[in-house]
Amino acid sequence: AQKITQTQPGMFVQEKEAVTLDCTYDTSDPSYGLFWYKQPSSGEMIFLIYQGSYDQQNATEGRYSLNFQKARKSANLVISASQLGDSAMYFCAMREGPGSGAGSYQLTFGKGTKLSVIP
Amino acid sequence: DAGVTQSPTHLIKTRGQQVTLRCSPKSGHDTVSWYQQALGQGPQFIFQYYEEEERQRGNFPDRFSGHQYPNYSSELNVNALLLGDSALYLCASSQTLTAAGELFFGEGSRLTVL
Repeated sequence: AQKITQTQPGMFVQEKEAVTLDCTYDTSDPSYGLFWYKQPSSGEMIFLIYQGSYDQQNATEGRYSLNFQKARKSANLVISASQLGDSAMYFCAMREGPGSGAGSYQLTFGKGTKLSVIP
Repeated sequence: DAGVTQSPTHLIKTRGQQVTLRCSPKSGHDTVSWYQQALGQGPQFIFQYYEEEERQRGNFPDRFSGHQYPNYSSELNVNALLLGDSALYLCASSQTLTAAGELFFGEGSRLTVL
């Protein structure tokens, strides 16, 4: 079974509108972390936001927020007030196990969602 | 503050050849991971180095090997190249004591195998 599933290969959003990118995950480990990365055409993976499995509140970072629904195993990314520069590939990723100590940074990525922002 | 730097940015090899990719981690980071990203796919974990030792390995054959130097920089070596090794190779660094485990990625080395 896929550990990270992103069901939207591509999404379009009007500039200044909000958009939600879907991500579901599968793990039996009670301790895990969920990440969203942005990958522009340059290739670099840019960290956007992180949610730990024990975090009580949904993570927010500026225009990015993570809608974490633990029972449904979903971790959707919400981008508010979309900008033309938001056009890129977006990847959801998961780290299983605690986040401290050596050997704990193996991430499993989904296949990504290509977001296009329309002027 | 320099981020993660990788070299070369692009390279072309033929089947059967060997390649070495290099990575300098972000300042203050001591752990380096390597990922392979095939076209249209998400990155896949190859292995991770900490204290000059391979600590974790993904599902990749022994043709993929690496090294970490005392200054924390790292190399990825791939022997006996196959067409399927064509991909973007991403290096990521992190600071071991960081609780969230945030990875900082470089822009990658794009390998084409002919």
